[in-house]
Amino acid sequence: GENVEQHPSTLSVQEGDSAVIKCTYSDSASNYFPWYKQELGKRPQLIIDIRSNVGEKKDQRIAVTLNKTAKHFSLHITETQPEDSAVYFCAASRMNSGYSTLTFGKGTMLLVSP
Amino acid sequence: DGGITQSPKYLFRKEGQNVTLSCEQNLNHDAMYWYRQDPGQGLRLIYYSQIVNDFQKGDIAEGYSVSREKKESFPLTVTSAQKNPTAFYLCASSIFALELLGGNQPQHFGDGTRLSIL
Repeated sequence: GENVEQHPSTLSVQEGDSAVIKCTYSDSASNYFPWYKQELGKRPQLIIDIRSNVGEKKDQRIAVTLNKTAKHFSLHITETQPEDSAVYFCAASRMNSGYSTLTFGKGTMLLVSP
Repeated sequence: DGGITQSPKYLFRKEGQNVTLSCEQNLNHDAMYWYRQDPGQGLRLIYYSQIVNDFQKGDIAEGYSVSREKKESFPLTVTSAQKNPTAFYLCASSIFALELLGGNQPQHFGDGTRLSIL
């Protein structure tokens, strides 16, 4: 089955710095890679996603890159702000009984200090 | 996402007891999912359903059961066979995710139910 590794498990940055979170996946058939942000005690919220036919996608301060050959994808947050502090999860799709489901990484706790 | 409602927010289970977690969505989504979240473990898939009256086991289905009698509802029962049920349970939904039709669509989550053992 699919296995998703996420690094680092914790990341501390100063406000205004950039943050990068990296994930690797094992199933070369995976074709959809979402990123979720979860604030303490709240629901995960989709912040950006990318499909395998695209190498990079940007949305304001957030970008995701995908390297299909190496089977890894990364989340880049520029000009970090304290409100970016949260746990971030990557996920990769996989086939499951003819349907697609998601396998999640274990999460990265991002702390942005003022 | 106000379209997915989970209840209750907190739930306590006694030894040997079955408990049912509710998940309702008004997004007209075909697919629904149940995940378990433990500290440092990410989200693990328990069960999922793509259409009414059909559901499949995820990675950690043992000790859990589900039903999908209505498109809007996907309740999860934590049975007494689940020996370590203490966790945060998240329900999600998405547009129909058949691989032949383009595969995964974004999943939208509810606020979760925190289950503890008395």
